[in-house]
Amino acid sequence: EPEVTQTPSHQVTQMGQEVILRCVPISNHLYFYWYRQILGQKVEFLVSFYNNEISEKSEIFDDQFSVERPDGSNFTLKIRSTKLEDSAMYFCASSWDGYQPQHFGDGTRLSIL
Amino acid sequence: RKEVEQDPGPFNVPEGATVAFNCTYSNSASQSFFWYRQDCRKEPKLLMSVYSSGNEDGRFTAQLNRASQYISLLIRDSKLSDSATYLCAMEYGNKLVFGAGTILRVKS
Repeated sequence: EPEVTQTPSHQVTQMGQEVILRCVPISNHLYFYWYRQILGQKVEFLVSFYNNEISEKSEIFDDQFSVERPDGSNFTLKIRSTKLEDSAMYFCASSWDGYQPQHFGDGTRLSIL
Repeated sequence: RKEVEQDPGPFNVPEGATVAFNCTYSNSASQSFFWYRQDCRKEPKLLMSVYSSGNEDGRFTAQLNRASQYISLLIRDSKLSDSATYLCAMEYGNKLVFGAGTILRVKS
């Protein structure tokens, strides 16, 4: 069964540094998403992406965050200047359309020191 | 009122038991509803979509009640491997909104 893949599985970064999280969505999917889950809390939406542009973003997704689909297969999340509170699991997801179930990658654990 | 509310549990049940979870939602505009399963520190895995007509997949049955704005999940003949956190989710706009999850522990 096709799956969403994410790299790295764990990223440790100093506060203030830039970090890029990478995702390869399922190949025929058209919608792409990033979510995060702080330890012990619920899964929170960050951003959705369709047709090479952001279709919706949450309040969490401020100017420090950006997304890109640079080459038609990868989908990346960049955090420009990381803060301690950015420490969380980051999940990428994709779906065939906006109403179909979203399939999640196994996540990147981001630890900010 | 929270957008999506779930009883956090934990639900502690013996193997073979039947257990049911509910999830209430506040946004009547939501069109699609789902149950996901999440194991500790892992990604949400889609369990099933939820339809007004109800749907069943083996030991799992999901139901949507639009009038009362809740969805339910019934697990029959619980197995040890069913122990996990069960997340309800609904599509709203271009995103999924998740509940905080219900913890299920199945014991032998």
